[in-house]
Amino acid sequence: EPEVTQTPSHQVTQMGQEVILRCVPISNHLYFYWYRQILGQKVEFLVSFYNNEISEKSEIFDDQFSVERPDGSNFTLKIRSTKLEDSAMYFCASSFGADTGELFFGEGSRLTVL
Amino acid sequence: DQQVKQNSPSLRVQEGRISILNCDYTNSMFDYFLWYKKYPAEGPTFLISISSIKDKNEDGRFTVFLNKSAKHLSLHIVPSQPGDSAVYFCAAGGAGGGADGLTFGKGTHLIIQP
Repeated sequence: EPEVTQTPSHQVTQMGQEVILRCVPISNHLYFYWYRQILGQKVEFLVSFYNNEISEKSEIFDDQFSVERPDGSNFTLKIRSTKLEDSAMYFCASSFGADTGELFFGEGSRLTVL
Repeated sequence: DQQVKQNSPSLRVQEGRISILNCDYTNSMFDYFLWYKKYPAEGPTFLISISSIKDKNEDGRFTVFLNKSAKHLSLHIVPSQPGDSAVYFCAAGGAGGGADGLTFGKGTHLIIQP
């Protein structure tokens, strides 16, 4: 069964460092998303991406965040200068359409900022 | 700003009985509602959804009920099985149109007891 895969599963970084989280969405899906879940809190929407551009982004997705689909298969989230409060589980998701909310999530990348 | 609320952090149900998970929302513009299930160390998995034009959707042991006037939805699982023990997230979408992100509740940890 096709699935969304994410790497790394866990990354530890120093505050101020750049981090890139990688995702391979399901191959025939057209919409791609990043969500995050800070420990003990709810899953929060960060950004959606369609047709090689950002469709929607939340208030969390400020200038230190960027997304890219560099080669037609990978979908990356870059955090330019990490802060302590960026520590969270980051989930990539994809969907074929955008009108039902049925997303397929990866297993997540845990980011720990020290 | 909690547009989607799950007021019960946890719920214990005996195996074989009915599990009822509740969710309230505040934004009347949501177009669809979903339930996701999450096991530890895994990403959320889509379970069942309902469009805002319906009041019930059933899929096997899972039924979702929507009461638009009360801005309330619930997930019924009957009969409950040990494998149902997980965190259940209520989510809503479609308020902004297009590929807008889902708004999640904080989750309810369902524990099925033998």
